[in-house]
Amino acid sequence: GAVVSQHPSWVICKSGTSVKIECRSLDFQATTMFWYRQFPKQSLMLMATSNEGSKATYEQGVEKDKFLINHASLTLSTLTVTSAHPEDSSFYICSAREREKTYEQYFGPGTRLTVT
Amino acid sequence: ILNVEQSPQSLHVQEGDSTNFTCSFPSSNFYALHWYRWETAKSPEALFVMTLNGDEKKKGRISATLNTKEGYSYLYIKGSQPEDSATYLCAHTGGFKTIFGAGTRLFVKA
Repeated sequence: GAVVSQHPSWVICKSGTSVKIECRSLDFQATTMFWYRQFPKQSLMLMATSNEGSKATYEQGVEKDKFLINHASLTLSTLTVTSAHPEDSSFYICSAREREKTYEQYFGPGTRLTVT
Repeated sequence: ILNVEQSPQSLHVQEGDSTNFTCSFPSSNFYALHWYRWETAKSPEALFVMTLNGDEKKKGRISATLNTKEGYSYLYIKGSQPEDSATYLCAHTGGFKTIFGAGTRLFVKA
């Protein structure tokens, strides 16, 4: 149980285009989903927290107009990187928290984004 | 300590060796300490969640201890196997945020 999928697993796009990454909880309802970014040899850095049906809460320094997050249902959250630039190239990973389980997060496998 | 720090950054051991890693975290405002195992191209897998000072958890050959007063946790692997090769992440939950360490990358040679 507690499986989270993420799609695509890797994507290459051209500078100026937008890319959408999907995060799905497959066998549970996720009231809260988290989006992280990881640069090589660094920690997972929280970008934003999204609760189903409400606007995402972004961490300081994360541009909400650039990284659009939608959590339209209890099983799906999306991250859209708009007008991507090479510096947006990174590893993006989502996690989901099951209703009433406050400690645990279940992670997707991540998405490697390369912007050329 | 303001951040979550893990040491060593990487570790190479022989099959059968026992090993341990350290996670240091802020001792104030503690809520929970998590350990994850992360294999390449897979999702991080939760190993342990610990909430009480002195907690000890065990799963097979892997165990973990927690000292919230001094702000550290140890992860032990007894008799390492090649399939234990992975990155081991710890994360500290304090207040409303969870902060991750950069991980310890373990390589177990057969």
